[in-house]
Amino acid sequence: GESVGLHLPTLSVQEGDNSIINCAYSNSASDYFIWYKQESGKGPQFIIDIRSNMDKRQGQRVTVLLNKTVKHLSLQIAATQPGDSAVYFCAENNAGGTSYGKLTFGQGTILTVHP
Amino acid sequence: KAGVTQTPRYLIKTRGQQVTLSCSPISGHRSVSWYQQTPGQGLQFLFEYFSETQRNKGNFPGRFSGRQFSNSRSEMNVSTLELGDSALYLCASSLGPQGSGANVLTFGAGSRLTVL
Repeated sequence: GESVGLHLPTLSVQEGDNSIINCAYSNSASDYFIWYKQESGKGPQFIIDIRSNMDKRQGQRVTVLLNKTVKHLSLQIAATQPGDSAVYFCAENNAGGTSYGKLTFGQGTILTVHP
Repeated sequence: KAGVTQTPRYLIKTRGQQVTLSCSPISGHRSVSWYQQTPGQGLQFLFEYFSETQRNKGNFPGRFSGRQFSNSRSEMNVSTLELGDSALYLCASSLGPQGSGANVLTFGAGSRLTVL
């Protein structure tokens, strides 16, 4: 039958604005979280990660916040640039110590940055 | 250093055929994972290999299989192709055990399979 595509959330911002992309995760046992960026025609690219024993981690222009109480993850991008336009995925590792590469991905958010 | 290399980048098959996709991980990376990406289901975990052993498998039928070689290169195979197998197949590599079990995955550009 006909497949129905995921209806991805979208976020549209102006160049120079700050962007916040949100993600709800499902498994309270997840101990490692990652944000990936995927541009058209490319594979996902690592942005930043955070372990469950932290609630905030900063990188270059990006900050990840983790709220384990409500199982929520967010990615903040400062001074958003047109090159930041992409689909952003959060991912969680809930396999404990048994896996190095098994991640559960969120549905993704489309970020569009207007010059 | 070179990234994760996947071949072929694009391929077209017909229903009932089989396909083999190849992945060369980053030099020194010993863990390889495979994911299927479709508009309908998003990114879904297929399987994971380390030291030529499958460590985890996702919820896919037995038509999907894979293996890893002693040089860490990996292949995945899909037999008896169905229309719904049309997807972008992504390979990712990571260093492997570092004590914590959590590694950064580096993805390749993917192999786009179209089944007619």
